[in-house]
Amino acid sequence: NAGVTQTPKFQVLKTGQSMTLQCAQDMNHNSMYWYRQDPGMGLRLIYYSASEGTTDKGEVPNGYNVSRLNKREFSLRLESAAPSQTSVYFCASSERVGTGELFFGEGSRLTVL
Amino acid sequence: SQQGEEDPQALSIQEGENATMNCSYKTSINNLQWYRQNSGRGLVHLILIRSNEREKHSGRLRVTLDTSKKSSSLLITASRAADTASYFCATVRGDSSYKLIFGSGTRLLVRP
Repeated sequence: NAGVTQTPKFQVLKTGQSMTLQCAQDMNHNSMYWYRQDPGMGLRLIYYSASEGTTDKGEVPNGYNVSRLNKREFSLRLESAAPSQTSVYFCASSERVGTGELFFGEGSRLTVL
Repeated sequence: SQQGEEDPQALSIQEGENATMNCSYKTSINNLQWYRQNSGRGLVHLILIRSNEREKHSGRLRVTLDTSKKSSSLLITASRAADTASYFCATVRGDSSYKLIFGSGTRLLVRP
């Protein structure tokens, strides 16, 4: 099983450009998450989806949008990228929100110039 | 704002020694989890302890939880060079949000 797959793994954008990070899981999990990780800081929750059809804001949602396309897929969109969004982005999934372990993808490294 | 704060931020020990990392948090929790991250990789779940549990073991890992002090510790016994990684605690808040919030992590270096 692939687990949680994120694409792309690396991306360089110019300020103001838009892009979408894709995430898919093959574990039939109900809940999915997007986190960002900056140097010296832990992971910060951007958005999460407790179940198909629902999305909720996390700690740092500004500048991002998400779409829970179906049970497997959860995408993160940057409409107008800013240098402050340079980070490593992690997608994760779990059976249900709040009760068990998260399974993480390998990360997407985004640089905004 | 960060819910969990790990202490120390960095730890360097000799192979075979024990490593202890601490985590403090601010609000009531449903459960607390520990994760490991190898350099350049995603996080891997190590252990989960519920708010009504005080201690849990998994192999060479021992986790304790003190809800009165809002703190947890992770002990890795007989450390190996392969244990070199960053370790994060994460808490699920006791409110209805069920958000999993991570601390800033402890970087562990195990010297051969």
